Amino acid sequence: DAGVTQSPTHLIKTRGQQVTLRCSPKSGHDTVSWYQQALGQGPQFIFQYYEEEERQRGNFPDRFSGHQFPNYSSELNVNALLLGDSALYLCACRSAGTGGADTQYFGPGTRLTVL
Amino acid sequence: ILNVEQSPQSLHVQEGDSTNFTCSFPSSNFYALHWYRWETAKSPEALFVMTLNGDEKKKGRISATLNTKEGYSYLYIKGSQPEDSATYLCAFVGGTSYGKLTFGQGTILTVHP
Repeated sequence: DAGVTQSPTHLIKTRGQQVTLRCSPKSGHDTVSWYQQALGQGPQFIFQYYEEEERQRGNFPDRFSGHQFPNYSSELNVNALLLGDSALYLCACRSAGTGGADTQYFGPGTRLTVL
Repeated sequence: ILNVEQSPQSLHVQEGDSTNFTCSFPSSNFYALHWYRWETAKSPEALFVMTLNGDEKKKGRISATLNTKEGYSYLYIKGSQPEDSATYLCAFVGGTSYGKLTFGQGTILTVHP
């Protein structure tokens, strides 16, 4: 068990609504990244948070925003939901001191369905 | 745009068979390659992180090799068991990416008893 938790597990929303997903990292892991996995594809990088700042961003519109709290937990917010936002949303956590060559630990994901 | 490709997309083998699949990635600006195993309804589980050309890693019946000059990695499973059934994902990390993972689309392995 990697110790990364995400909530909620599943979520159903309608087009135009807003959603907030949450991630609690493993103890000591201060860097949180969010990924979107659409059906049949590998996970795609949304953004990464470190020291409560967005450090890097993937190719996602501004409707996708995030936040990191002092305890390192993080939120992903999506505004004006579209049908195409239906996907599994994963968070991945690591310690900033380890760099890109150390293990990143994933949560089980939140399944978002937009109707 | 980084292109990480995995083949085959899916694979069906019999229990006891050995199998392997491929991950292709850009050979420039390489920093690391990650392999994950992802069982349905669970979190992706880290298998290996590989950084050096020629690197070989092993974990039980699973092993992986890395060729950074030509941009590929192989994952091998010896004597497949039904519990090996999962999606196997590789992810490339570039040198300036703060650990951003660029994933392939995965190989779905089904091991039949």
